[in-house]
Amino acid sequence: GAGVSQSPSNKVTEKGKDVELRCDPISGHTALYWYRQSLGQGLEFLIYFQGNSAPDKSGLPSDRFSAERTGGSVSTLTIQRTQQEDSAVYLCASSLAPGTGGLGYTFGSGTRLTVV
Amino acid sequence: SQQGEEDPQALSIQEGENATMNCSYKTSINNLQWYRQNSGRGLVHLILIRSNEREKHSGRLRVTLDTSKKSSSLLITASRAADTASYFCATVPTDSWGKFQFGAGTQVVVTP
Repeated sequence: GAGVSQSPSNKVTEKGKDVELRCDPISGHTALYWYRQSLGQGLEFLIYFQGNSAPDKSGLPSDRFSAERTGGSVSTLTIQRTQQEDSAVYLCASSLAPGTGGLGYTFGSGTRLTVV
Repeated sequence: SQQGEEDPQALSIQEGENATMNCSYKTSINNLQWYRQNSGRGLVHLILIRSNEREKHSGRLRVTLDTSKKSSSLLITASRAADTASYFCATVPTDSWGKFQFGAGTQVVVTP
C-alpha cells in the first residue's frame, strides 16, 4: 500500500481481555517495528522484524506481549490479559531495511488502546 | 532510560521566529533522525543525519550533529503556526540497527 496501515485505530477493552493489533507495512519494506507511546511520553521500542524473524524482542514489557509477522508483510501484536498500564498508542513503522539510511521510518497512525 | 533526550521540553514562540531544540544521547550511533508528531499520532520523518556528517539542511530545517558531545540540534527557521507539534530525535545505535531510541520530545507551540 501507499502507507503503513494500522487497525483498529481505536480499541477499548476490559481489563483481563486479550487484544490483537494489526500492522500492514508498505509493500516491499522488509523491516517492521512496533513502538508504544504513553500519554505525553516519548516512544518506547517494543520489537522489530527483519522479514519474518524478530532479531530484537528486548522491548516487550512482559510475556503477555507477543508479536508475529507472516509472509514478510502483515504483523500482529497480541497483548494477553490486558492491564490498565497497557493503555497507550501503539505505533507501527516500516522501512526498506533495518536502520536504512536516507528515508527513515514510515509510521502508521497508530492504535489507541484503552484498558478499562 | 531514554537514549535520546530533547531539551527544552516545551518551547513557545511567535510566527517568524526561529525555534531551536537539542537532543543528547549516550551510545555510539549510526545516524540520528528527527521526527514531528501532531496531536499524539502520525510521526513524520523530517531529516536524517549520519554519524560522519556535521550539518544538514532541508527547507527551513537545519540539523547539526556533534558526535564528540553526543548531541544534535534542530533549527526551524521562520516558524509558522503549522510548525506547532512535538519534535522527537531518534538515534540508531551502531550495535542494533533495528532498535531506534526516541527521546521524550520537545513540544513546540507557534502563535500567529
